[in-house]
Amino acid sequence: SQQGEEDPQALSIQEGENATMNCSYKTSINNLQWYRQNSGRGLVHLILIRSNEREKHSGRLRVTLDTSKKSSSLLITASRAADTASYFCAPSTGGADGLTFGKGTHLIIQP
Amino acid sequence: DAGVTQSPTHLIKTRGQQVTLRCSPKSGHDTVSWYQQALGQGPQFIFQYYEEEERQRGNFPDRFSGHQFPNYSSELNVNALLLGDSALYLCASRRGWYNEQFFGPGTRLTVL
Repeated sequence: SQQGEEDPQALSIQEGENATMNCSYKTSINNLQWYRQNSGRGLVHLILIRSNEREKHSGRLRVTLDTSKKSSSLLITASRAADTASYFCAPSTGGADGLTFGKGTHLIIQP
Repeated sequence: DAGVTQSPTHLIKTRGQQVTLRCSPKSGHDTVSWYQQALGQGPQFIFQYYEEEERQRGNFPDRFSGHQFPNYSSELNVNALLLGDSALYLCASRRGWYNEQFFGPGTRLTVL
């Protein structure tokens, strides 16, 4: 299994601004998933991007993947107070391996 | 379509006791994984079940065991509870090896 490292560890922006967080990993992957977690609750699946994809969109979310740099980014546009949460990336080789998570990026949206 | 469900929501136990947590996967999913999340940390992989067998295990002692039933639901058992086992326990399910993994709301276990 392999672990993603999110950066920055914490991010505070004003409502309406865009938020960008990054993820780096060490070895080749089959796919990478992004999750959101509100305080003390389960992880909500946001998006899965496969190794042969470079960019993917879902509503206000835009995810990019650069396999040559072993990195991914998550952009949230026009942020809202409800976007306040921790965000985790999970790179995966697939198969029976479990996902390995870093400490996440803690995003705070100021009203 | 119900997502991943877990029970109970909260649980309080004392050191040395045993606990069983339950998980029902999302409809159509056949693979169930369990994770432990301590406060302020990311989830840590405990093990994964597929076709009623443990397929992969993380760095957890044998006190942590599990089971998957023919209907794909799963249980996590923890014996001889320690204070350090206090955490949010998350169940996740998926269909196949390379698809999205969806998480349940978790069970908050407190060991006193």
